[in-house]
Order: sequence, then C-alpha cells, then structure tokens
Amino acid sequence: QSALTQPASVSGSPGQSITISCTGTSSDVGSYNLVSWYQQYSGKAPKLMIYEGRERPSGVSNRFSGSKSGNTASLTISGLQAEDEADYYCCSYAGSSTFVLFGGGTKLTVL
Amino acid sequence: QVQLQESGPGLVKPSETLSLTCSVSGGSVSSDIYSWSWIRQPPGKGLEWIGYIYYSGGTKYNPSLKSRLTISVDTSKNQFSLNLSSVTAADTAVYYCARVVADHDAFDIWGQGTMVTVSS
Repeated sequence: QSALTQPASVSGSPGQSITISCTGTSSDVGSYNLVSWYQQYSGKAPKLMIYEGRERPSGVSNRFSGSKSGNTASLTISGLQAEDEADYYCCSYAGSSTFVLFGGGTKLTVL
Repeated sequence: QVQLQESGPGLVKPSETLSLTCSVSGGSVSSDIYSWSWIRQPPGKGLEWIGYIYYSGGTKYNPSLKSRLTISVDTSKNQFSLNLSSVTAADTAVYYCARVVADHDAFDIWGQGTMVTVSS
C-alpha cells in the first residue's frame, strides 16, 4: 500500500495559521480514527503532536489541532511561530494487513 | 520518565543481517498497555514503519519487510530487538525505536535514533 499523501512544503508568516493535509484512502485514514501527527526537527527524533485525529498529548501547545474529513486528515497550526519550522509527518492505522502508513512529510517554513 | 536507547553496529555489509537493540529505562516492556516498535528513515527521506512487538511476544510487521524481519523482546533485560536479514544499500537509514500507546496506535516516546549504513 502506498504512503499517505502530504504536500512537500507549506509556508506562513509569524502569527498566521497554516494547514497541512494528509490524504489516504477508505482503507486507512477514512476507516479509522487513528491518525497521528509528528513534528521532526533536523537531525532529531520525531515528537508526537496529535493522536486519534484531534487529541493533544500533555505538553503540546493548543496552537496545534487536528481534524479529519473523509479520507483526508489535517493538522492546523495557529499563531505560527519561528520554532514551528520543522518537518511534519502524518501516520494512520491501515488495517490488519498493512497496519501502519506514514505520509511522505511536509516541510514547514516560517517566513 | 521513560527513555529508549538504540544500540548496534553503525556499518553492516550487504547480504548480512542488521541487528539493533532498544533498551527501555524508566518503564517496563512488560506493560500490557504499550507495544514497542521500530521505524526507520533513509537519509533525506520520510519515515517508514518497520514493525511492532507486544509484551507477549506477538508481532506485526511491515508487509514489504516481513520476509527478512524478526522483532523480539527480552523482558528480563527490559529491551527489544530488530533483526533484518539480507540487507542492501536500500536499508541504509536512521533506525528509531518507539513506544506505542496501544489504544491510540500512536508513537508517544522515541529513541534518539541510530544511523546504520549498509556498505562493503
């Protein structure tokens, strides 16, 4: 099964909001409420930002929010800050044969 | 707090077996609310899920790697391991171990990662 589809890059100015999409199929994103999002700085391990589509782990800023519509999940970052500049990956449970799929990653640039 | 640390050779020859261990501190691999996973990232590329293991020893593997892959757990040492056989240059990557919250299917704690290069 193919990876989930994310835009290669997005950008925004400080204070603005941006949204990163993650498109899958009815076999993964569309069928399960098990989408997670990860932030990764260059040379560092990923960090969990959102789980179960819209839930934030303790300690993650409420500027980060998740949603889903059909086969597409989205991560929205509001009040963009310079420290948000990183790569972002979505991930979804994909059923009992494929199990887990990651998106290809999106590079966020804060202008 | 729970910490994960990968260890193993940084260089593996083509056709040989890549072996890595993830040591867990501050928590137990025997917990039934977590599973334990390996994920890799080729240089300059995205994340690829490798597989899970449960405290019971049950496993789930990426179908594309299944024929070459073994993940095991050693509860006495509080660690889990990855063996990937018949490696090629395409297996060159940073390998991460991670804890999985079973009910949420999310990777909530990650190791720092270890670079493995496949080259003669």
